[in-house]
Amino acid sequence: GAGVSQSPSNKVTEKGKDVELRCDPISGHTALYWYRQSLGQGLEFLIYFQGNSAPDKSGLPSDRFSAERTGGSVSTLTIQRTQQEDSAVYLCASSSTHLGTSGSNETQYFGPGTRLLVL
Amino acid sequence: KNQVEQSPQSLIILEGKNCTLQCNYTVSPFSNLRWYKQDTGRGPVSLTIMTFSENTKSNGRYTATLDADTKQSSLHITASQLSDSASYICVVSAKVMRNTPLVFGKGTRLSVIA
Repeated sequence: GAGVSQSPSNKVTEKGKDVELRCDPISGHTALYWYRQSLGQGLEFLIYFQGNSAPDKSGLPSDRFSAERTGGSVSTLTIQRTQQEDSAVYLCASSSTHLGTSGSNETQYFGPGTRLLVL
Repeated sequence: KNQVEQSPQSLIILEGKNCTLQCNYTVSPFSNLRWYKQDTGRGPVSLTIMTFSENTKSNGRYTATLDADTKQSSLHITASQLSDSASYICVVSAKVMRNTPLVFGKGTRLSVIA
């Protein structure tokens, strides 16, 4: 596709419900990243994928958060038993190779985000 | 601890004026530094990427500088336009192979008014 797309664009849910957020990266991009941005805060790294594997899950805030990527393309971020503090914008980004490769100047392309509100 | 600090936190300027945003970092080992522009309700968009050996890089009216010795970068915006109103995020990349290398600043919120 032309860019990174995310769905839904907005999600309102009740506390305790599970939510699933979707990210479609740019075609051919092997690296995919999930971030969270709370109101007035900087981006918080959650997890990244290289292909279908997730070498770094260190940013997931709790075991209620999980993510998967299939076919080296679409990724889903699942939040179980949502809490009010989960309310934030969840951003997905992709790059053609992992930015951690030494000396990589790859551009990271972001999607528009999913705005999650937990009531 | 790897950190990126940006200043000011917010800034209001008149249309047509210039401004400079600052970024200080403690990320090591350093790989590169990126500036992103994030419009309200949108994802960040890359403006510049600078490596250790680059002192300055321009993208239209945006000029980024990097002093790797003092670990400081600045983003200068010339002849500001209303459309420049956005958050500007400084991101520093560390040389690591597996874990995520990017350390994000909290951004400077720029408002350009007529």
